[in-house]
Amino acid sequence: QKEVEQDPGPLSVPEGAIVSLNCTYSNSAFQYFMWYRQYSRKGPELLMYTYSSGNKEDGRFTAQVDKSSKYISLFIRDSQPSDSATYLCASEGGDDKIIFGKGTRLHILP
Amino acid sequence: GAVVSQHPSRVICKSGTSVKIECRSLDFQATTMFWYRQFPKQSLMLMATSNEGSKATYEQGVEKDKFLINHASLTLSTLTVTSAHPEDSSFYICSAKEGRNTEAFFGQGTRLTVV
Repeated sequence: QKEVEQDPGPLSVPEGAIVSLNCTYSNSAFQYFMWYRQYSRKGPELLMYTYSSGNKEDGRFTAQVDKSSKYISLFIRDSQPSDSATYLCASEGGDDKIIFGKGTRLHILP
Repeated sequence: GAVVSQHPSRVICKSGTSVKIECRSLDFQATTMFWYRQFPKQSLMLMATSNEGSKATYEQGVEKDKFLINHASLTLSTLTVTSAHPEDSSFYICSAKEGRNTEAFFGQGTRLTVV
């Protein structure tokens, strides 16, 4: 079992819909959780960085971590075509090494 | 967020030659830098972790004599692909962190094509 599991998609939703992206992880030592957005042929861009369980909101983006179920979520409200990208979840256990999921390809349909 | 600059963004080289890729943290001191490789529609594969002033730690299966990493200062790390072969063609991305339990920021990536 990979340490961070993520459905690769693709996930297609109509413009304006709420997008829900999810990951699970297996290592209970993970404390820090991140979501990155990656456009084609570009480096990943950090969207959200959270510590332990709870919610964090930034504009249209909300990151949610449930450590009891080892579940990580990213919600995008009022989705727009420019949100179309690959979204990578990641976790860090305090040893500096970041473990990435495979990434979910998201398509927002105009 | 913090800025990490990677150069060049694209390079084509002949088989057998060496290529150097630079990764710079522009507005923070990067105590740790990471180098990744990414194949089309695949996730990031960590190649090595480098801490300023010490030898890089390579992941299993990554040839340290082929992928030379130097992290000589707190703002610069370089990856040199030595004696490049067509199978080394890939997208290479660096990331940098200011310390433990801090965010990692990525460079723009370098697309290497070996012909």
